[in-house]
Amino acid sequence: QKEVEQDPGPLSVPEGAIVSLNCTYSNSAFQYFMWYRQYSRKGPELLMYTYSSGNKEDGRFTAQVDKSSKYISLFIRDSQPSDSATYLCAMSYLGAGNNRKLIWGLGTSLAVNP
Amino acid sequence: ETGVTQSPTHLIKTRGQQVTLRCSSQSGHNTVSWYQQALGQGPQFIFQYYREEENGRGNFPPRFSGLQFPNYSSELNVNALELDDSALYLCASSSDRVETQYFGPGTRLLVL
Repeated sequence: QKEVEQDPGPLSVPEGAIVSLNCTYSNSAFQYFMWYRQYSRKGPELLMYTYSSGNKEDGRFTAQVDKSSKYISLFIRDSQPSDSATYLCAMSYLGAGNNRKLIWGLGTSLAVNP
Repeated sequence: ETGVTQSPTHLIKTRGQQVTLRCSSQSGHNTVSWYQQALGQGPQFIFQYYREEENGRGNFPPRFSGLQFPNYSSELNVNALELDDSALYLCASSSDRVETQYFGPGTRLLVL
């Protein structure tokens, strides 16, 4: 079992739909939870960054963390064609040598159709 | 656009050759991390440099090596290239936490 599981999709939705992207994890040591967006042929771009369980909102994006279920979600409201990209979850924990380790999901490919 | 730049953007090499990839970090950032991203995969951590010292390494063989310079720019060197080294190589810089790092556009390496 991988430490972080993410369905690669692809996910295709009509413009204006609410999109739900999810990751599950197995390592209870994960402390920080991130969502990145990656457009084709570009580097990942940090969208949301959370520490505790609960919701965090930023514009049309809401990140949700449920540590008891080891489950995180990213919701995109009023989705736009410009949201078409791969969405990667990433999680970090304090590893050996007091270094923070980042573990990534595979990414979910999202297409928002006009 | 982040302030992280990488060069070259694309590169084609043959098996057994050596390659050097370069990264210029965002102004004020003293930490640089390198990642390998194969097609359809998440980034895999190669190593991290903090103030010119290696500060953590992933499960990559010693033929993957790096440097960080006094201006915090960085190089990734890969010796004895193998076909499986074909990937997007990403550089990310941060000032305090790896959780808030900024990525460059990547260098796409193809090994034939």
